[in-house]
Amino acid sequence: AQSVSQHNHHVILSEAASLELGCNYSYGGTVNLFWYVQYPGQHLQLLLKYFSGDPLVKGIKGFEAEFIKSKFSFNLRKPSVQWSDTAEYFCAMFSGGYNKLIFGAGTRLAVHP
Amino acid sequence: DTGVSQNPRHKITKRGQNVTFRCDPISEHNRLYWYRQTLGQGPEFLTYFQNEAQLEKSRLLSDRFSAERPKGSFSTLEIQRTEQGDSAMYLCASSLALTSLQETQYFGPGTRLLVL
Repeated sequence: AQSVSQHNHHVILSEAASLELGCNYSYGGTVNLFWYVQYPGQHLQLLLKYFSGDPLVKGIKGFEAEFIKSKFSFNLRKPSVQWSDTAEYFCAMFSGGYNKLIFGAGTRLAVHP
Repeated sequence: DTGVSQNPRHKITKRGQNVTFRCDPISEHNRLYWYRQTLGQGPEFLTYFQNEAQLEKSRLLSDRFSAERPKGSFSTLEIQRTEQGDSAMYLCASSLALTSLQETQYFGPGTRLLVL
């Protein structure tokens, strides 16, 4: 069965620290991969996506993610977090055979000033 | 730029009552999805439409749930005889699917349902 795993449920960082959130997916075929972010009181917003090509993708607000096919991973990174990055982050995959997004459980990030 | 909108934003109802939610997708998006999100979990797929056709329903969608997209534009999700376990955030997303794989879904703010 297809699934997405996010290993860190809660992450606490100080401003300027580096961030890496893990995401692993389970599916043997071609997938599209996404990171969505939900800021407090706001709706899910697209952070970045991978369809094909360069496995290192850049998103909004300085975020990037690397698709490593051999590891079935799509980890999210940011070199220096800000207080405004406090949010919940969801990794998701989409495969054409299933026509739906499958989400991980989310990682709640708290950045302290 | 008008995104996906959902109404109402919040709904409190008593067990056994029927509720209906509405979703207005981004204009010209041909696909519309419904998801449900409970506390501490990511959104879970419920159903989706391509234009007015409902193409897939999750096993999560019991017989008490029905969704429509009558003219291929807005969609409604109705829950009959609500149960406390239906309490959740109901999310709508839309996309423009030009190929079978490369699509991006944009989400609305959700309708938070509380069944007492």
